[in-house]
Amino acid sequence: NAGVTQTPKFRVLKTGQSMTLLCAQDMNHEYMYWYRQDPGMGLRLIHYSVGEGTTAKGEVPDGYNVSRLKKQNFLLGLESAAPSQTSVYFCASSYPIGQPQHFGDGTRLSIL
Amino acid sequence: TQLLEQSPQFLSIQEGENLTVYCNSSSVFSSLQWYRQEPGEGPVLLVTVVTGGEVKKLKRLTFQFGDARKDSSLHITAAQPGDTGLYLCAGAPSNTGKLIFGQGTTLQVKP
Repeated sequence: NAGVTQTPKFRVLKTGQSMTLLCAQDMNHEYMYWYRQDPGMGLRLIHYSVGEGTTAKGEVPDGYNVSRLKKQNFLLGLESAAPSQTSVYFCASSYPIGQPQHFGDGTRLSIL
Repeated sequence: TQLLEQSPQFLSIQEGENLTVYCNSSSVFSSLQWYRQEPGEGPVLLVTVVTGGEVKKLKRLTFQFGDARKDSSLHITAAQPGDTGLYLCAGAPSNTGKLIFGQGTTLQVKP
């Protein structure tokens, strides 16, 4: 069972470049989430989706966009990368209403 | 803003010692979850507590949910090097579907 798969695992960008982080889940979960993890700050929610075709803002949405065109995929985009977006990004999925979340192994992103 | 405060943030102990990690909030949560994260991996769920006063045991780990559902604790008995990792508590306020995470407790158990 693959669970939640994130690609790529590592990436280095220059300031101003754009990229898309991919997340795929094979558990038929309705909810999907994108978090960023920074030292001493736990996991902070960027955007989330409660179903195919729907997205919503989380705690720290600025500078990011998302799309959920298919139930199993959730994409996170950075249109113009900034050094402040250097972080480890985690995708997660779950059944609704606060159910346990299943996480991918993260994407380590560095913006120079 | 609903916050979850974890303490301590860092803990370094010798193998065989006991420890307790705390997760506190001023808000009521419908449930609290504990996750463990190892370097280079995503968090993995350890347990969910849903009832005020609930105690759950997972081998040497004991989880408790406060009576008022505002706080939780994780107690590890006779810690082992394999317990080393980042422990995160997360709460689901008012069945919103979103989780709020504490800042985490980094545990190091030395052999």
